[in-house]
Amino acid sequence: QITLKESGPTLVKPTQTLTLTCTFSGFSLTVSGVGVGWIRQPPGKALEWLALIYSNDDKLYSPSLKSRLTITKDTSKNQVVLTMTNMDPVDTATYYCAHTYYYDNSFDYWGQGTLVTVSS
Amino acid sequence: QSVLTQPPSVSGAPGQRVTISCTGSSSNIGADYDVHWYQQLPGTAPKLLIYGNSNRPSGVPDRFSGSKSGTSASLAITGLQAEDEADYYCQSYDSSLGELFGGGTKLTVL
Repeated sequence: QITLKESGPTLVKPTQTLTLTCTFSGFSLTVSGVGVGWIRQPPGKALEWLALIYSNDDKLYSPSLKSRLTITKDTSKNQVVLTMTNMDPVDTATYYCAHTYYYDNSFDYWGQGTLVTVSS
Repeated sequence: QSVLTQPPSVSGAPGQRVTISCTGSSSNIGADYDVHWYQQLPGTAPKLLIYGNSNRPSGVPDRFSGSKSGTSASLAITGLQAEDEADYYCQSYDSSLGELFGGGTKLTVL
């Protein structure tokens, strides 16, 4: 059974760096083709893809946010970490991590999401 | 405004058939990249409904079907039920923008 869970601060101040951790079970990021992605959703708005990391350590970023994002994995801890620098109130959103496969990048298992509010 | 365009809302009576469109361009859907569909019930995480244009994950009722043609894709729901009331999102890949989600469609069951 695949599960994912996001963790991190619920409140960050403008200009701060956000660090979110996705802890998963039921699969391994050492298996070829497996990936974990991050997607966010501002309140009342649409989903927005942020970043993806695969088992071979290939990384993909949303071009519009690439300069602010870093995605890494720790296979020994079954974790994927996303950092986003220079947070702004427009970054207030629920952040999800999700499991995917390289061959089609559909997100078949999702975490419950974590709401991050950016405010001073 | 999303690169993948969906109608903001659709509605239908119980038992009816509704379709939700997802219109892209030659750099995403038209470039033969797969389209996936998600259902998001209020207050919950999205759930994969259709992958690879027309495939249903285990457990998804066959009332849900997907298709793709040219630069567009569609999600069809037949035998509409009250529990289908949710937001629906399409997803595809764009050669310049990476993974993309549509703007979402709110389905109301009348």
